[in-house]
Amino acid sequence: SQKIEQNSEALNIQEGKTATLTCNYTNYSPAYLQWYRQDPGRGPVFLLLIRENEKEKRKERLKVTFDTTLKQSLFHITASQPADSATYLCALVAGFGNEKLTFGTGTRLTIIP
Amino acid sequence: DAGVIQSPRHEVTEMGQEVTLRCKPISGHDYLFWYRQTMMRGLELLIYFNNNVPIDDSGMPEDRFSAKMPNASFSTLKIQPSEPRDSAVYFCASSFLGYNEQFFGPGTRLTVL
Repeated sequence: SQKIEQNSEALNIQEGKTATLTCNYTNYSPAYLQWYRQDPGRGPVFLLLIRENEKEKRKERLKVTFDTTLKQSLFHITASQPADSATYLCALVAGFGNEKLTFGTGTRLTIIP
Repeated sequence: DAGVIQSPRHEVTEMGQEVTLRCKPISGHDYLFWYRQTMMRGLELLIYFNNNVPIDDSGMPEDRFSAKMPNASFSTLKIQPSEPRDSAVYFCASSFLGYNEQFFGPGTRLTVL
């Protein structure tokens, strides 16, 4: 069966360091991979989308990589700040005609001042 | 645009009662998604619509759940009869093109006693 795993439930990082979150998937060939941020009591907020033919995508302090051979995506936050503390979710989309978005369980990131 | 609007924000009901959750997507978006989030199962897709037509309802737990989208600006998710195990946060999201970023509403926290 299809499975999406995010490396850990919780991750604590010192302020200023780079936070790296992992998303692994099995029995899946996604055309797109997305990352979302969710704060307590709120809906997820979109951060980045990367296509299967893209290796890397950047947006300000965020960077996402997508390795279809390893079936893995890495999500990096550089120069982390306490305001980056939240739960981060990866999600996979099969592609056009199958737009179902399947979410991982999330990683709760805490940036320690 | 006000974003995705959901109502009510909180709903407390007794087992056996009918529950109706409402969603107004962002104007111009052609896809609408209903999700359920619990601690145990994470964020799960229940059903999604394209141009008001249901495309995939394989995530709907059972016949007690039904969803409609009578027009491009309104959708409902109905649970009849409700059970305690339906207690969760229900999110509605919309997007332009199914694989693109999804915009989530604030969610409805449902408690079934």
